Amino acid sequence: EAQVTQNPRYLITVTGKKLTVTCSQNMNHEYMSWYRQDPGLGLRQIYYSMNVEVTDKGDVPEGYKVSRKEKRNFPLILESPSPNQTSLYFCASSLSGLEQFFGPGTRPTVL
Amino acid sequence: GENVEQHPSTLSVQEGDSAVIKCTYSDSASNYFPWYKQELGKRPQLIIDIRSNVGEKKDQRIAVTLNKTAKHFSLHITETQPEDSAVYFCAASKFGNEKLTFGTGTRLTIIP
Repeated sequence: EAQVTQNPRYLITVTGKKLTVTCSQNMNHEYMSWYRQDPGLGLRQIYYSMNVEVTDKGDVPEGYKVSRKEKRNFPLILESPSPNQTSLYFCASSLSGLEQFFGPGTRPTVL
Repeated sequence: GENVEQHPSTLSVQEGDSAVIKCTYSDSASNYFPWYKQELGKRPQLIIDIRSNVGEKKDQRIAVTLNKTAKHFSLHITETQPEDSAVYFCAASKFGNEKLTFGTGTRLTIIP
């Protein structure tokens, strides 16, 4: 089944404790992105990648890191999480930069 | 960078009536405009998109119109049904570029 998976789906952590959210797609898509969704603010792009080893900042990259070492994986790293990074995070992939296929979402709570 | 504004933020419509959601964008170089639907607790899914070389696109009860001169585009849903209740997001990008800017969303409620 063609899909985008994210892990973990939920977690609770504390300020400053490094957090990695994994994202994997099995559709051989070139493009991958990370978004955060907050009430009243919609979906905001954090980072995107147009190919392996090619990443670029979206609209809200501060406090996040990404890497694209393999085509199928695009992990999101919160080096030192803060409470304002409590949000709903979506990974997405697309074949040509058009239709985005979203993962199920990850909801970390940073205390 | 691109800025996308979306209105209204909430919309209630009687079942069977039409719903219209409007978006404006700032970057005249944007040429791809998708619409996503997000049901409660689920992931966003593409429902329709339009490129800047066309002015209108229809898919059954859903249509999107684009006015490049005014830099705005709209989603039209006709004969609304309860399953149309969801949050709808517009977005803008340059074709083939993964940098996608979303609007803030419209919560559509269909009243039976």
